[in-house]
Amino acid sequence: DTEVTQTPKHLVMGMTNKKSLKCEQHMGHRAMYWYKQKAKKPPELMFVYSYEKLSINESVPSRFSPECPNSSLLNLHLHALQPEDSALYLCASSQDSRQGNEAFFGQGTRLTVV
Amino acid sequence: KNEVEQSPQNLTAQEGEFITINCSYSVGISALHWLQQHPGGGIVSLFMLSSGKKKHGRLIATINIQEKHSSLHITASHPRDSAVYICAVSYIQGAQKLVFGQGTRLTINP
Repeated sequence: DTEVTQTPKHLVMGMTNKKSLKCEQHMGHRAMYWYKQKAKKPPELMFVYSYEKLSINESVPSRFSPECPNSSLLNLHLHALQPEDSALYLCASSQDSRQGNEAFFGQGTRLTVV
Repeated sequence: KNEVEQSPQNLTAQEGEFITINCSYSVGISALHWLQQHPGGGIVSLFMLSSGKKKHGRLIATINIQEKHSSLHITASHPRDSAVYICAVSYIQGAQKLVFGQGTRLTINP
């Protein structure tokens, strides 16, 4: 199993809603990542978890709250988002966070904030 | 100036043509990744290189560490190869992060 599975595939939420994005992998990877991608732009790193601990937060606003309940799961909790947060949110994993490990990406969640 | 530069930004070709996409980077890296993204989102890892050359089916990736340059080649291109191809590097410092190029949008016409 070399898949990273993200749910839901699409999400529309209002600015007052609370929702969560989920990411799951069963490759035994110990590094997991959240990226945000706007249309026709490359992905931008948001968070890195290494061995279930947050190791990088790229100055992401607090309305995005990551959580890593175990080594297979990564969540992104969303609250009070703005329309400009509409984007494709990609999860990725790698064996660990050391140099040069291959990254495996999920299909993404396309988020629309209305 | 982006740390990872790709060229061309857009490429349209006819089915069967040989395709080359280039990637240049500025400082020492631990690995370079070629990724493919189809419309609708998901990213697929095609290659991870730290030296030399790799081949998978019709795809070939090369890297020249001294020149800080990599190329992705597609032989006998097919309309299903139409996608955005992204070069990304992980630096020796800050190895957890991938730094992405802007991508090359490839369209193969039948």
